[in-house]
Amino acid sequence: GAVVSQHPSRVICKSGTSVKIECRSLDFQATTMFWYRQFPKQSLMLMATSNEGSKATYEQGVEKDKFLINHASLTLSTLTVTSAHPEDSSFYICSARDFTSKAGMQPREQFFGPGTRLTVL
Amino acid sequence: DQQVKQNSPSLSVQEGRISILNCDYTNSMFDYFLWYKKYPAEGPTFLISISSIKDKNEDGRFTVFLNKSAKHLSLHIVPSQPGDSAVYFCAASGRNSGNTPLVFGKGTRLSVIA
Repeated sequence: GAVVSQHPSRVICKSGTSVKIECRSLDFQATTMFWYRQFPKQSLMLMATSNEGSKATYEQGVEKDKFLINHASLTLSTLTVTSAHPEDSSFYICSARDFTSKAGMQPREQFFGPGTRLTVL
Repeated sequence: DQQVKQNSPSLSVQEGRISILNCDYTNSMFDYFLWYKKYPAEGPTFLISISSIKDKNEDGRFTVFLNKSAKHLSLHIVPSQPGDSAVYFCAASGRNSGNTPLVFGKGTRLSVIA
């Protein structure tokens, strides 16, 4: 399957600082990427949909000014947690989906990055 | 309203036995279903999928069954192994989903006991 990477894998920061998380599709062009947050008790919460070259679409209840998303190229999307607070501590996962026709790839499959553990002190 | 439901948050199975994970959906526009496996502190990995034109898809120890009339699918793992212990997410997609993400269930934690 396709490979999606995330960086950093783990970050610890002080309250009030901003943290940037990168998501890259390594062997395919991702016209659309998704950002998730995993809460305790396992559920994945979709935060936003990131489309290359356009503004991200945020899910209800997600503050767009707090979670800035930039999808500047077909292989990179970034999530910036601005003025992070302890309640923002979580496991953030990105996912990519290639909607262009490509041999050997299921067009409706989503490929996930390994996740980023954010701890805000 | 949850469109994809995994009603069992956890399941314990003896090694060597069959694990059956269930998933129900409400949206009749869904026509493609996937199962993902997730270990702690890792992203989910794709396991197996099924299109609505089929009622069964098999890949090694993993088989997914789809019952469209009941809007129900299940993942069978046989024989279960300790390494299968993980959280399993059911996901669904519609035919005209555009640039929308898969719709995920809340997951079922499978524990395979040696």
